[in-house]
Amino acid sequence: DIQMTQSPSSLSASVGDRVTITCRASQTISNYLNWYQQKSGKAPKLLIYTASSLESGVPSRFSGSGSGTDFTLTISSLQPEDFATYYCQQSYNSLGAFGQGTRVEIK
Amino acid sequence: QITLKESGPTLVKPTQTLTLTCTFSGFSLSTSGVGVGWIRQPPGKALERLALIYWDDDKRYSPSLKSRLTISKDASKNQVVLTMTNVDPVDTATYYCALHHGSYWSYWGQGTLVTVSS
Repeated sequence: DIQMTQSPSSLSASVGDRVTITCRASQTISNYLNWYQQKSGKAPKLLIYTASSLESGVPSRFSGSGSGTDFTLTISSLQPEDFATYYCQQSYNSLGAFGQGTRVEIK
Repeated sequence: QITLKESGPTLVKPTQTLTLTCTFSGFSLSTSGVGVGWIRQPPGKALERLALIYWDDDKRYSPSLKSRLTISKDASKNQVVLTMTNVDPVDTATYYCALHHGSYWSYWGQGTLVTVSS
């Protein structure tokens, strides 16, 4: 079973900062990596699929990159509404595991 | 408009069987490539995949929970059912159903909180 490890587990940043979250797979998964945003008390929302494709309606300040085992989610200019927890999820297998999440707090 | 909604008991006793129903609209589970599955989230913890069923009745389960889970569908009723046997307090979580299409979970239900307690 492929395991997903995110870092950091939490971070605090200011509005306007560039934020980077990393996700590592325990074995190569090509570009089969998705990112979700979850706000408190809400269901997760798809942000990026297949490592770098932006879901329709998602602001362009969100971007994804990587392939193989190492992936990155970048928020180019953090906004107050980006306070949330972010999860990566591998889709190399049809029921791929999620990472443990990265909580983003606004300073 | 695609919607999914979870329903089931809010409180279950340890060792009992939990049955959850996902009722959806706006898509068909008879369409090639479409799947519906379940993901849960214990309070304050991470998301955990549970099970997924495809349009062709192919089923996938979490390796760690496979022996306790059964997923089934009734495409004519637009429903997917998940059963979990022998529940324990550690199974207390918000349970989400979601649409799986392509290689990702594209739409999610609002979730339902299930508490396991005597």
